[in-house]
Amino acid sequence: QVQLVESGGGVVQPGRSLRLSCAASGFTFSIYAMHWVRQAPGKGLEWVAFISYDGGNEYYADSVKGRFTISRDNSKNTLYLQMNSLRAEDTAVYFCARDELEMALFDHWGQGTLVTVSS
Amino acid sequence: EIVLTQSPGTLSLSPGERATLSCRASPSIGSSYLAWYQQKPGQAPRLLIYGASNRVTGIPDRFSGSGSETDFTLTISRLEPEDFAVYYCQQYGTSPPYTFGQGTKLEIK
Repeated sequence: QVQLVESGGGVVQPGRSLRLSCAASGFTFSIYAMHWVRQAPGKGLEWVAFISYDGGNEYYADSVKGRFTISRDNSKNTLYLQMNSLRAEDTAVYFCARDELEMALFDHWGQGTLVTVSS
Repeated sequence: EIVLTQSPGTLSLSPGERATLSCRASPSIGSSYLAWYQQKPGQAPRLLIYGASNRVTGIPDRFSGSGSETDFTLTISRLEPEDFAVYYCQQYGTSPPYTFGQGTKLEIK
């Protein structure tokens, strides 16, 4: 069965960096586009970033553009999110999500990893 | 950017009742590329409906979706205890950003 397992979250000071990982299994990772979606505590869902199946295309939300970088290693079935210059408003649970049709339809989600940006 | 506005913010109903959740898009999505997700506390969202009206395999037929362009509806015909959750609509298939509605909390009355 499809499994997505995020890791790498934690408490980090403002201005510092963190890298999240999402390990995929149960499907052919290399043919699916992937996304990161976040949810601030008690708030709704916010799309963060997209990467195409081969890593050739990336898109970002304006709120993270220039600070976050999405990447993938298809040989390791792993998705990444490099987060730099973190701000308090980046505090959220970060979910990785599989894109069913490379149209941003999220058919499977990981359980999420919490990132807390605080001094 | 397409803004999705869900109403009501909170819906209080009893098991067995019918729930009607609304999602309005501005500007128009221009298609039926609208999805509905269910999220329970402490869990990831789960895809219920795509293409405005297509149920994902395994989703009970008490869940149905309708609408196009700007106005979309998720209907739960007879509420079961496990249906009480937060529901989000989301537009896809367009250019980013891929936006979600702010959510409707369906709570037990």
